[in-house]
Amino acid sequence: EPEVTQTPSHQVTQMGQEVILRCVPISNHLYFYWYRQILGQKVEFLVSFYNNEISEKSEIFDDQFSVERPDGSNFTLKIRSTKLEDSAMYFCASSELVNYGYTFGSGTRLTVV
Amino acid sequence: SQQGEEDPQALSIQEGENATMNCSYKTSINNLQWYRQNSGRGLVHLILIRSNEREKHSGRLRVTLDTSKKSSSLLITASRAADTASYFCATDTWDTGRRALTFGSGTRLQVQP
Repeated sequence: EPEVTQTPSHQVTQMGQEVILRCVPISNHLYFYWYRQILGQKVEFLVSFYNNEISEKSEIFDDQFSVERPDGSNFTLKIRSTKLEDSAMYFCASSELVNYGYTFGSGTRLTVV
Repeated sequence: SQQGEEDPQALSIQEGENATMNCSYKTSINNLQWYRQNSGRGLVHLILIRSNEREKHSGRLRVTLDTSKKSSSLLITASRAADTASYFCATDTWDTGRRALTFGSGTRLQVQP
């Protein structure tokens, strides 16, 4: 069964450092997403990406965040200057079309110290 | 209050029993999806029910949707210890091009062997 692959599985970074979280969505999917889950809290929407551009972003997705699809297969989330409150599990997801289920990756656990 | 809220928050049953989890939401939806999450792991898509559907089955899972009451239920029949996990409903809504899954807080299911 096709999978969404995320790397790394764990990342520890110093506050103020930049991090890049990587994702390889399912190849024939058209919609890509980043979500995050702070420990013990709900899964929260960050951003959706379609046709090589951001189609929607939440209030969480401020100027510190950016996404790219640099080479047609990878989909990255960059946090420019990490804060302690950015510590969370970050999930990448993709879906084939609207009104279809999402396939989530296993997540990257980001710890900012 | 929030879109996609599950109840109960926690459920403990014996192996072989059925588990029922409920989800309520507030706005109109295009589909509703159920996901499972084992502790600290990724989200696994279980089943999607579209707004024009009332019931759907997948193996031991049965999902119902009542759009007039803005509610859904997930029934797991003949539960197993391996079903122990958190279960989330997520509403999928798009209008004027906006699309995002909104997750509830989840039901923690414990199946005792």
